[in-house]
Amino acid sequence: QKEVEQDPGPLSVPEGAIVSLNCTYSNSAFQYFMWYRQYSRKGPELLMYTYSSGNKEDGRFTAQVDKSSKYISLFIRDSQPSDSATYLCAMSAGETSGSRLTFGEGTQLTVNP
Amino acid sequence: NAGVTQTPKFQVLKTGQSMTLQCAQDMNHNSMYWYRQDPGMGLRLIYYSASEGTTDKGEVPNGYNVSRLNKREFSLRLESAAPSQTSVYFCASSPFGPNQPQHFGDGTRLSIL
Repeated sequence: QKEVEQDPGPLSVPEGAIVSLNCTYSNSAFQYFMWYRQYSRKGPELLMYTYSSGNKEDGRFTAQVDKSSKYISLFIRDSQPSDSATYLCAMSAGETSGSRLTFGEGTQLTVNP
Repeated sequence: NAGVTQTPKFQVLKTGQSMTLQCAQDMNHNSMYWYRQDPGMGLRLIYYSASEGTTDKGEVPNGYNVSRLNKREFSLRLESAAPSQTSVYFCASSPFGPNQPQHFGDGTRLSIL
């Protein structure tokens, strides 16, 4: 079983919709949580970075972390065609020996005009 | 502001050939990483360098070697390429360690025939 599970989609929504992207994980030691956006034929770029549980908002994007449920979410409000991309969740356990960033498979999102 | 630069962008090799993928960052980051991205597998860590002068194996190191040439540059070498190494390779860097946001290059698309 993978440490981080993410539904690969594809997910297709109309412009202006609220998008919810999710990941579940099994390693209770994960403390740092990130969301990356990856456009076709480009490298991932950081969208959101959170530590431990709670919410973080940045413009149209909101990241939520529920450590008790081992569940993280990314919400996109008023989605735009330019949001069409693959969204990757990633998480790490902290400054322990061998700590590394573990990625989900990515969810492919298309926002239709 | 170049960020992370990878060369080449595309390469086709024959089985058994060798090649080196180059990566350079201009953000004065201490840590650098090599990943491969395959459909259905997400991003998997091949090798990383926590700081200049150190390198460590990641999740899938077999068939690869790395060199941290200096603080800016981190290269990945395939000594005897195999078809299973056909993938998209990404280099990334972070200020220090995997818990901080990683900045990615745009990848090298490698096909091995």
